[in-house]
Amino acid sequence: GAVVSQHPSWVICKSGTSVKIECRSLDFQATTMFWYRQFPKQSLMLMATSNEGSKATYEQGVEKDKFLINHASLTLSTLTVTSAHPEDSSFYICSAKDRNGRNEQFFGPGTRLTVL
Amino acid sequence: GDSVTQMEGPVTLSEEAFLTINCTYTATGYPSLFWYVQYPGEGLQLLLKATKADDKGSNKGFEATYRKETTSFHLEKGSVQVSDSAVYFCALGRAQKLVFGQGTRLTINP
Repeated sequence: GAVVSQHPSWVICKSGTSVKIECRSLDFQATTMFWYRQFPKQSLMLMATSNEGSKATYEQGVEKDKFLINHASLTLSTLTVTSAHPEDSSFYICSAKDRNGRNEQFFGPGTRLTVL
Repeated sequence: GDSVTQMEGPVTLSEEAFLTINCTYTATGYPSLFWYVQYPGEGLQLLLKATKADDKGSNKGFEATYRKETTSFHLEKGSVQVSDSAVYFCALGRAQKLVFGQGTRLTINP
């Protein structure tokens, strides 16, 4: 149990376009999901915390108009990178917390974004 | 603010060797400490955790002890296997947020 999927696993887009990444909890309900960004050979940096049915909470320095987060249901959160630029190229990872007591984050496999 | 520093990799060992991956942290108060493992093509998985000073987390032969006096949470395993090859992340947690170290890539050769 406790499987989190991300789609797509990798995406290449042109500069100026928007890209949506989905994060799904497959076998549990998640009231809270987290979005991280990972640069090569660096740690995961928390971008935002997403609570179902409410606005996401962004970490300092993360542009909320650039990285739109929607947590529309207990099993789905989406991250949209708007007007993407090459510096947005990165590995984006989501995690989800089980609403039913397990005090643990379960991680998706990540999405590699390359902006040309 | 909170931060985690872990041993730089990559680390390459032979099967059955002893493993230590160092992790130190900077934080106020009493955060929880974690080790996550990421196998190729998969998401991070919780390997072990400790929630207070002197706690020892253990799983799959791996151990780590929460040392407040040295602000450390070093990962150890007595005899590694090829299947342990992965990237290992040390992290501290507070108020449901996680702060990660940069990860250490471990390769075990047969």
